[in-house]
Amino acid sequence: GENVEQHPSTLSVQEGDSAVIKCTYSDSASNYFPWYKQELGKGPQLIIDIRSNVGEKKDQRIAVTLNKTAKHFSLHITETQPEDSAVYFCAARGGRGSTLGRLYFGRGTQLTVWP
Amino acid sequence: GAGVSQSPSNKVTEKGKDVELRCDPISGHTALYWYRQRLGQGLEFLIYFQGNSAPDKSGLPSDRFSAERTGESVSTLTIQRTQQEDSAVYLCASSLDQGSETQYFGPGTRLLVL
Repeated sequence: GENVEQHPSTLSVQEGDSAVIKCTYSDSASNYFPWYKQELGKGPQLIIDIRSNVGEKKDQRIAVTLNKTAKHFSLHITETQPEDSAVYFCAARGGRGSTLGRLYFGRGTQLTVWP
Repeated sequence: GAGVSQSPSNKVTEKGKDVELRCDPISGHTALYWYRQRLGQGLEFLIYFQGNSAPDKSGLPSDRFSAERTGESVSTLTIQRTQQEDSAVYLCASSLDQGSETQYFGPGTRLLVL
């Protein structure tokens, strides 16, 4: 099955700085890569996603890049704000056979933005 | 419209007891997923329902775990003879259908087994 690795596990930045979280995946058939934000005591919320036919996608202060050859994708948050503090998860959607439809998650990154 | 809802939000039980966790997916969503999230960990796939097809149970960690879904609506995850290692947040997600990539998560049920 798919294996998703996520780094770093914790990330602290000053308000206004940028934050970058990186993930790698193992299954070349995976074709969809969402990023979720989870605040304390809540379920994960989708913040951005990218499909395998696209190299980069941007939504205001958030961007995601995908390198299919290297099998890695990254989340970029610019001009960070304290309310960006949360746990961020990357995921890859299984693209073949019994894995089709499943999301495989990284272990999460605790982002803390200091005012 | 309403999102995915789960109940109870918190559950404390004694080792050996059975528990039932409930998930109400977004109306019209035919695909439903259960995940387990242990403290400080990522989400671990448990089971997947798609319409009236046989569920994908390959993620269930033991035969103490089972889940059912009534048609394309409510799902119940049952854990029998709970163990302390079952303590986790149990998350439910739904998507429009198997071909839809976006999964929408509920707030989760926090289970503590004493």
